Amino acid sequence: EVQLVQSGAEVKKPGESLKISCKGSGYSFTSYWIGWVRQMPGKGLEWMGIIYPGDSDTRYSPSFQGQVTISADKSISTAYLQWSSLKASDTAMYYCVRRAIVGATDLFDYWGQGTLVTVSS
Amino acid sequence: SSELTQDPAVSVALGQTVRITCQGDTLRSYYASWYQQKPGQAPVLVIYGKNNRPSGIPDRFSGSSSGNTASLTITGAQAEDEADYYCNSRDSSGDHVVFGGGTKLTVL
Repeated sequence: EVQLVQSGAEVKKPGESLKISCKGSGYSFTSYWIGWVRQMPGKGLEWMGIIYPGDSDTRYSPSFQGQVTISADKSISTAYLQWSSLKASDTAMYYCVRRAIVGATDLFDYWGQGTLVTVSS
Repeated sequence: SSELTQDPAVSVALGQTVRITCQGDTLRSYYASWYQQKPGQAPVLVIYGKNNRPSGIPDRFSGSSSGNTASLTITGAQAEDEADYYCNSRDSSGDHVVFGGGTKLTVL
């Protein structure tokens, strides 16, 4: 069974750093892209970026380039999303997703349970 | 603003058919995927490609595409289909993914 299991909820202060994780199991972790999706409170889904754990090829949405860092450790089948200096506007639910490409279709076929990040002074 | 446009809200009577649309120029080149999100839950893939359903998704969900518009149709909507629905596809550069703004479906 394919699973993406994310790390637990975080409460941080502005300016602090944070790294959240997403552990994949039940499939070949190095053969699929892993992406991150943000959902701010009461808002829609936003694609942040994606990494191919097989070779660490990473792509960022222009909206998030320079704001976050995506990485992966294939030895433990885990992807990461990190911030060096959090802002209150980073308060959101963050989902990791497995990306598949079927012909001319990008799809996110498996989702993590989400990690709620709250940034407040 | 998103490159994929969805109506913010749609309603349907119980047991009737509803179509949720997603518009964008990139849909002329790429198929959309559709996700259902219920309150407090992670999104779930319901339709991808021309008209493909992942295992476990009821066959009342179907997809179609014409020109710059992708559609998700629910034939015989059930109370449990009340949720937010999002489309996604590639953006105009072809290098990135973009989501539509989402449609809140109410089943009356």
